[in-house]
Amino acid sequence: GAVVSQHPSRVICKSGTSVKIECRSLDFQATTMFWYRQFPKQSLMLMATSNEGSKATYEQGVEKDKFLINHASLTLSTLTVTSAHPEDSSFYICSARSLQGDEQFFGPGTRLTVL
Amino acid sequence: GENVEQHPSTLSVQEGDSAVIKCTYSDSASNYFPWYKQELGKRPQLIIDIRSNVGEKKDQRIAVTLNKTAKHFSLHITETQPEDSAVYFCAASIHDMRFGAGTRLTVKP
Repeated sequence: GAVVSQHPSRVICKSGTSVKIECRSLDFQATTMFWYRQFPKQSLMLMATSNEGSKATYEQGVEKDKFLINHASLTLSTLTVTSAHPEDSSFYICSARSLQGDEQFFGPGTRLTVL
Repeated sequence: GENVEQHPSTLSVQEGDSAVIKCTYSDSASNYFPWYKQELGKRPQLIIDIRSNVGEKKDQRIAVTLNKTAKHFSLHITETQPEDSAVYFCAASIHDMRFGAGTRLTVKP
């Protein structure tokens, strides 16, 4: 299957700082990428959908100025958590979908801890 | 928007027994229904999926059924093994994907 990488796998930062997470499709072109957040013992919650070259579509309740998404190429999307606070601590997972199919391919996730 | 409900939240079975997890969805336009297995701290792994033009699909010990009229779909695992223990998520998709709340399956040896 298609491979999606995510970097970093873990990050610990101080409150008020910004953190950037990268999501890359390694062997296919991802026209659409998705960002999810998963709190402990909960499901994956869609945060936003990003299409290459256009602005991301954010889910209700997700602040677009706090969670900046850039999808500058067909293989890379980035999520920047700005002015992070302890309540932003979570498992962030990206996924990518090619133009041809329905299936989404998930990255390995990024564990963010904000102190 | 799409709303996916999943039951039960926890399921404990004896090794060798069958396990069934059920999901319902709200948007009749949804056309793709994957099931994922997720181990702690890992990414979701696709175990089986079904599209809206099919009623049933089987892959070895795993099967999925879809009832479009009732808007529900189910995962069936037969001959369960301890390594099947994990959290399972259903999802429904049109352009984006919505997940159920998850089922923690425990298979007792």
